[in-house]
Amino acid sequence: RKEVEQDPGPFNVPEGATVAFNCTYSNSASQSFFWYRQDCRKEPKLLMSVYSSGNEDGRFTAQLNRASQYISLLIRDSKLSDSATYLCVPHRSGGYNKLIFGAGTRLAVHP
Amino acid sequence: SQTIHQWPATLVQPVGSPLSLECTVEGTSNPNLYWYRQAAGRGLQLLFYSVGIGQISSEVPQNLSASRPQDRQFILSSKKLLLSDSGFYLCAWRQGAGGYTFGSGTRLTVV
Repeated sequence: RKEVEQDPGPFNVPEGATVAFNCTYSNSASQSFFWYRQDCRKEPKLLMSVYSSGNEDGRFTAQLNRASQYISLLIRDSKLSDSATYLCVPHRSGGYNKLIFGAGTRLAVHP
Repeated sequence: SQTIHQWPATLVQPVGSPLSLECTVEGTSNPNLYWYRQAAGRGLQLLFYSVGIGQISSEVPQNLSASRPQDRQFILSSKKLLLSDSGFYLCAWRQGAGGYTFGSGTRLTVV
């Protein structure tokens, strides 16, 4: 089983829609989680960190389900500028803090 | 404030030629540093990480090597490039307990 699994998409949604991505992880020792956003041909940028059951930042909400080993990202009121690939990254302490990235979920928001 | 610099932004090199990509970090000391590669349409693959000067760990056997001659300098090298070395190379460092911050990347095309 892969360490991180995400639906590659693409998710095609209209502006204003609410969209949710799920990410499953295999290592139950993962303690914190990160969502990154990567625009086409650009470096990934940290969108949100999750250290407990979830986190909310404006239109973005992350929810963590440790029992089922998945984390979700909810985007409300989608904007054209939200179009990007969203990468889920679980992290466990030790191991020199290596982060293992999934391939990501592609979101395309259209007018 | 902390910043990470990576250059060059793009590079076209012939098969069999050498490679040297440089990454430097400012505004911090003794950072954990990482090199990732992203092939076209794929996820990020961890290549090397370093926890200090002269300390390099390799994640994937390959045609590449890394060095850390100074605390805030991380270099990715190859003696002879292969076509399969083409990709988007990203340097990153970890800010405390948070996620990584990436450099702007080098897009390498081996021809």
